[in-house]
Amino acid sequence: DQQVKQNSPSLSVQEGRISILNCDYTNSMFDYFLWYKKYPAEGPTFLISISSIKDKNEDGRFTVFLNKSAKHLSLHIVPSQPGDSAVYFCAAFDKAAGNKLTFGGGTRVLVKP
Amino acid sequence: NAGVMQNPRHLVRRRGQEARLRCSPMKGHSHVYWYRQLPEEGLKFMVYLQKENIIDESGMPKERFSAEFPKEGPSILRIQQVVRGDSAAYFCASTFGSNYGYTFGSGTRLTVV
Repeated sequence: DQQVKQNSPSLSVQEGRISILNCDYTNSMFDYFLWYKKYPAEGPTFLISISSIKDKNEDGRFTVFLNKSAKHLSLHIVPSQPGDSAVYFCAAFDKAAGNKLTFGGGTRVLVKP
Repeated sequence: NAGVMQNPRHLVRRRGQEARLRCSPMKGHSHVYWYRQLPEEGLKFMVYLQKENIIDESGMPKERFSAEFPKEGPSILRIQQVVRGDSAAYFCASTFGSNYGYTFGSGTRLTVV
């Protein structure tokens, strides 16, 4: 039972354009949603999060949007830079179910110069 | 302490041998989590520990796998009698308290030959 899904395994975008990564979830009890960025041979690094009571959070070039009724969130990166090329994981946190993150399968982003 | 330290970075074991993976959390962090990433998949929760206690091991296989976080020293994930299917990247994360603010280590890549 995959509670968090990233249906696009890969995304290719031109430098300077917008990257949009999507994530769907099934568990309405999730309290927080997070995006992690992962380079090869490294651990995931935290990028941005959003509380379930918000619908938008912005941090520099990164914006996360949450649509609770659709159980959908997205990460916008604008403008995209070559250093953004990495695998991006969506994750969700349900405090009542224990302090663990449930991850999506990841989306590999390639930003072409 | 630069962050969560995992060692070894790479570990090769023959089928039937034991694998021991170590994780030293960030200074001041008393909560440790282990996740496993199989090739081309997202991270899957394995176990959540606090000092000397296993809080949640719902993601651990019932056999051959065990974890500990002693009063002194690093957390250890132990896999006995490894099989080829255990080949994966194992990531450790730590938090200060029971929240979603994970810091991940760089992982241990286990290869079973």
